[in-house]
Amino acid sequence: EAQVTQNPRYLITVTGKKLTVTCSQNMNHEYMSWYRQDPGLGLRQIYYSMNVEVTDKGDVPEGYKVSRKEKRNFPLILESPSPNQTSLYFCASSHRQGNSGANVLTFGAGSRLTVL
Amino acid sequence: AQKVTQAQTEISVVEKEDVTLDCVYETRDTTYYLFWYKQPPSGELVFLIRRNSFDEQNEISGRYSWNFQKSTSSFNFTITASQVVDSAVYFCALSGRYGGATNKLIFGTGTLLAVQP
Repeated sequence: EAQVTQNPRYLITVTGKKLTVTCSQNMNHEYMSWYRQDPGLGLRQIYYSMNVEVTDKGDVPEGYKVSRKEKRNFPLILESPSPNQTSLYFCASSHRQGNSGANVLTFGAGSRLTVL
Repeated sequence: AQKVTQAQTEISVVEKEDVTLDCVYETRDTTYYLFWYKQPPSGELVFLIRRNSFDEQNEISGRYSWNFQKSTSSFNFTITASQVVDSAVYFCALSGRYGGATNKLIFGTGTLLAVQP
């Protein structure tokens, strides 16, 4: 089944304790990205990657890191989490935008993170 | 700048009523794409429709229909004969070529639809 898999789905942690949210897709997609969802704000892009070893900041990158060493994986790293990073996180992937236009993003199931 | 506005924060209807969710967008791109996603209580994001800026034809899929009007920069979503299973948060989103961040979606803040039995 074509899917984007995120782990963990739920996590409660404390301020300053490094954590990684993993994301893996099995569709051979070039493009991957991370969004966070907050009440009243919708979803906002954190980071994205156009292909292996190519990453760039989205709209809200502060406090996050990413890497893209393999095509299928795009982990989100919080080096020193703070309470304002409490949120619902989504990983998404698609083929690169081609002549036919913006491709539909496939989203993971979401990871709910609470930072105390 | 690109922006999507969903002015309706919450809508409550009784089953079998028709309901329209509004979406207004702003973009400087001449080529852009509009999307609707559904987020049921379970939390996942479900793709509903993609429409490009050159195609203003309305679309119908079962009980769902979409009205795209470039003149008013709107892409409204109507559910006919609503059902309890339609209860969800619905997001409208925009993607353009501006800035080179291809496939990036700009989301609205979402509309929570509650369908009462």
